[in-house]
Amino acid sequence: TQLLEQSPQFLSIQEGENLTVYCNSSSVFSSLQWYRQEPGEGPVLLVTVVTGGEVKKLKRLTFQFGDARKDSSLHITAAQPGDTGLYLCAGDNAGGTSYGKLTFGQGTILTVHP
Amino acid sequence: GAVVSQHPSWVICKSGTSVKIECRSLDFQATTMFWYRQFPKQSLMLMATSNEGSKATYEQGVEKDKFLINHASLTLSTLTVTSAHPEDSSFYICSAIQGAGGEKLFFGSGTQLSVL
Repeated sequence: TQLLEQSPQFLSIQEGENLTVYCNSSSVFSSLQWYRQEPGEGPVLLVTVVTGGEVKKLKRLTFQFGDARKDSSLHITAAQPGDTGLYLCAGDNAGGTSYGKLTFGQGTILTVHP
Repeated sequence: GAVVSQHPSWVICKSGTSVKIECRSLDFQATTMFWYRQFPKQSLMLMATSNEGSKATYEQGVEKDKFLINHASLTLSTLTVTSAHPEDSSFYICSAIQGAGGEKLFFGSGTQLSVL
């Protein structure tokens, strides 16, 4: 079983602050995905990182995949109230028939106060 | 773009009844779908892998006789919660894989089940 440790579990910050969410595992993943989920809705994909050391940017969000493909981070610059939500990392143990069978981290509930 | 539809969005039922949740891929064929459950403010836990035309593969600790999965066509998988009890109340989410080779994964919008 591949486990993903996501931290912090809760994050409450003021508008304009920066934050980083971490996702760590002792296992190697073929790819790692970051999702954002609103209450009562399904998760929405933000990014997929595949290559060790890869860095992807999505506006104020920066995603990094560790060199060994065991860990990842999400950094948000100048957080806004609209960033409030549940952020989930998910590792894909793709390989043959395992594509899409995601292992999710525990999630980070982010609250950005105006 | 590809869309995965779940129905119903929410359901309230009495303890002891069975509830069926549908997961449909609207404009693509999905040979494989996944079912997750999620408790409030918690992450998604994989319940089972649903394969078209064959039996579902359940994760450890998930009762296959409790959570019946049927994937009778390439666009529809159903999850039936049999003899539901209050502890089955949860948010159930499906996902579906599009394509072979250039696989993409799409999530449904979820179904909130409340068992009274």
